[in-house]
Amino acid sequence: DAKTTQPNSMESNEEEPVHLPCNHSTISGTDYIHWYRQLPSQGPEYVIHGLTSNVNNRMASLAIAEDRKSSTLILHRATLRDAAVYYCILREMDSNYQLIWGAGTKLIIKP
Amino acid sequence: DVKVTQSSRYLVKRTGEKVFLECVQDMDHENMFWYRQDPGLGLRLIYFSYDVKMKEKGDIPEGYSVSREKKERFSLILESASTNQTSMYLCASTLAGGTSTDTQYFGPGTRLTVL
Repeated sequence: DAKTTQPNSMESNEEEPVHLPCNHSTISGTDYIHWYRQLPSQGPEYVIHGLTSNVNNRMASLAIAEDRKSSTLILHRATLRDAAVYYCILREMDSNYQLIWGAGTKLIIKP
Repeated sequence: DVKVTQSSRYLVKRTGEKVFLECVQDMDHENMFWYRQDPGLGLRLIYFSYDVKMKEKGDIPEGYSVSREKKERFSLILESASTNQTSMYLCASTLAGGTSTDTQYFGPGTRLTVL
């Protein structure tokens, strides 16, 4: 399974944009890039996913490098409620349902 | 919105006890999963089920069994609880089967302590 590398933690100020990086240099052409986050004392929740093109939804944007070896999750205006562990996961096509979870990035939001 | 519920948020059991963790989803999802989450180890898949009465082992099935008698309910069973099974247990479900765009919906987790 292709692996992802994320920083252990990041800090950001409230109401500022946050860019969370993820490296996946061994990604294959059919791997989707998924992001989940886990708020304190809760189960993980889906944030966004993409294959090649940049993606936007109500929670975040996903910017995917042209060579697909890295991606960046963008929170446009972080709030205290965005403090969580963010996981970048590669999902193989027809991967028999499994997600391979890494350690994620702990995002700290300073008021 | 999809809702995945777990029977308990916190559970304390003694070594050797039989433990049942229940998970219910309300969106008619075919696939359900049980993970455990430990500091430094991330989420690890214990078992999953893609249909009623069907189950597949995940990465760490030893010491666990599962039951899926109804589509909406997936139970994790610890036949004889041990202290190394103290962990956060997370249940998840997905709508469709085995495609790269499926998103997993998680329950709030059960923090199990085995004394």
